[in-house]
Amino acid sequence: ETGVTQSPTHLIKTRGQQVTLRCSSQSGHNTVSWYQQALGQGPQFIFQYYREEENGRGNFPPRFSGLQFPNYSSELNVNALELDDSALYLCASSLRDKPYNEQFFGPGTRLTVL
Amino acid sequence: KQEVTQIPAALSVPEGENLVLNCSFTDSAIYNLQWFRQDPGKGLTSLLLIQSSQREQTSGRLNASLDKSSGRSTLYIAASQPGDSATYLCAVNAGGTSYGKLTFGQGTILTVHP
Repeated sequence: ETGVTQSPTHLIKTRGQQVTLRCSSQSGHNTVSWYQQALGQGPQFIFQYYREEENGRGNFPPRFSGLQFPNYSSELNVNALELDDSALYLCASSLRDKPYNEQFFGPGTRLTVL
Repeated sequence: KQEVTQIPAALSVPEGENLVLNCSFTDSAIYNLQWFRQDPGKGLTSLLLIQSSQREQTSGRLNASLDKSSGRSTLYIAASQPGDSATYLCAVNAGGTSYGKLTFGQGTILTVHP
């Protein structure tokens, strides 16, 4: 069973640029959630995708957008990067139809905005 | 709005001690609660998940309890080891329209010294 994978591991961008982060969900999972974790803080929910549609969104502006593909992998896109977007971005996959809905996280992508 | 608080923020103990990490949440209408471990700069590893109908879960030296009515969960670590050093995060899954969205505490940084 393959776990959750994310790419790239690290990324450095400048303010105003756009970035795309990728996540492959765990085998058999149909739901992907994205989280932003600033240094020293707990992760904050960005949004969730289920069956290729956004299914819940946290308090993040529209410049944070995403996609989920038929194989349940997902992308997080951030436009017009700001310095405060520097963080560890985590994706989590789960099987929505399973009673416990346990979430499994990937290793994260460290984004630095200069 | 669900808020999750973890106490203490940091804990340093000698090897072999039994210890308790605390997590409290403001809205008792939860679906489940998950405890995670995070090593520096890494993703989250799921330790234990407790459903709202359960009182506790055990895995090896770890035991997590849940008192939904009082909005509290504790993670008990027996016979701590230096390898247990990490940040421990609790997260609440509210269920309902927020199904799958985890609200995290800020974590407890645990250091176990030899």
